[in-house]
Amino acid sequence: GIQVEQSPPDLILQEGANSTLRCNFSDSVNNLQWFHQNPWGQLINLFYIPSGTKQNGRLSATTVATERYSLLYISSSQTTDSGVYFCAVGGYQFYFGTGTSLTVIP
Amino acid sequence: KAGVTQTPRYLIKTRGQQVTLSCSPISGHRSVSWYQQTPGQGLQFLFEYFSETQRNKGNFPGRFSGRQFSNSRSEMNVSTLELGDSALYLCASSLSGGREKLFFGSGTQLSVL
Repeated sequence: GIQVEQSPPDLILQEGANSTLRCNFSDSVNNLQWFHQNPWGQLINLFYIPSGTKQNGRLSATTVATERYSLLYISSSQTTDSGVYFCAVGGYQFYFGTGTSLTVIP
Repeated sequence: KAGVTQTPRYLIKTRGQQVTLSCSPISGHRSVSWYQQTPGQGLQFLFEYFSETQRNKGNFPGRFSGRQFSNSRSEMNVSTLELGDSALYLCASSLSGGREKLFFGSGTQLSVL
């Protein structure tokens, strides 16, 4: 299967700080998505981004498919951004990274 | 539009029993997939259904099975439960699979004692 690596594994930020999460994958894919898992276990879809750049409020994502990586940017972080961020690649079957655990402290 | 609905939210079973989990996709979505999440193995793909047919299957033993009904609702069954089956089971739906956004339910937390 496709290998998906995420970095960093853990991140602690002060409220208001910016951060960049990275996702590397081992094979070409036609579907890449970013998810946020909240403390209750719900996976929220943040972006469907097989290539290019998208922005949604304080979040933005960029995927460079030819170089097999994707970046998730979080600006002006808030405590509600805490949780685990997953990158998933695939199509009918998705391969997930091990996630980045983000803690935002007030 | 209602989201993906999974029932029950929590389950406690004992080894050797069997369990059935239910998933109702977003209205209009025909692809339903199942994932197992554990602290040790992370999120792993179980299987995906489209139009009542299993289209893809992950690397899990035959004790794990599923089905999809004509209204796209799906169930997964685990027979002869083992302690290692304790996990959060997540269901996801999309319009038809492939190059589309995936939407997840809140999951069923299964504990096997």
